[in-house]
Amino acid sequence: EAQVTQNPRYLITVTGKKLTVTCSQNMNHEYMSWYRQDPGLGLRQIYYSMNVEVTDKGDVPEGYKVSRKEKRNFPLILESPSPNQTSLYFCASGRDSRTEAFFGQGTRLTVV
Amino acid sequence: RKEVEQDPGPFNVPEGATVAFNCTYSNSASQSFFWYRQDCRKEPKLLMSVYSSGNEDGRFTAQLNRASQYISLLIRDSKLSDSATYLCVVKAYSSASKIIFGSGTRLSIRP
Repeated sequence: EAQVTQNPRYLITVTGKKLTVTCSQNMNHEYMSWYRQDPGLGLRQIYYSMNVEVTDKGDVPEGYKVSRKEKRNFPLILESPSPNQTSLYFCASGRDSRTEAFFGQGTRLTVV
Repeated sequence: RKEVEQDPGPFNVPEGATVAFNCTYSNSASQSFFWYRQDCRKEPKLLMSVYSSGNEDGRFTAQLNRASQYISLLIRDSKLSDSATYLCVVKAYSSASKIIFGSGTRLSIRP
């Protein structure tokens, strides 16, 4: 089954404790991206990757890192999480940047 | 001004009604347009792409007006299962792979 898998689905952590949210897709997509969704602000792009070893900043990259060492994986790293990073995070992939995106089920992160 | 704007709603309409909502965008270089549907606490899912000539998929019709820079979604004979938030998505190739989501329009269909 074609899918984008994120883990964990739910996470509560403390300020400053490094964490990684994993994202994996099995569709051989070149394009992957991360979004956060906050009430009233909609989905905002954090980082995206056009292909392996190619990443770029989206609209809200501060406080986040990503890597794309393999085509299927695109982890999101929060080196020192802060409460303003409490949000619902979605990973997405697509054949390329022009076509539709397939989303993971989301990760609800709470930073206390 | 936001790059992509949608009326947040909520639109509350009776089952069987026709409902339409628009999405305006500010970047004239935008070249790809989509409508996504998002159910509460779930991931967005593609509803339909929006083509220049307009396109229809069953009860759903999407249209693009480049001159006025908006896209629209029309839902005919609405069903209870159409209740969701509808997100418009605009992609502009002039700035790498910038993808902008609207904040969404909430639609609630009542029996």
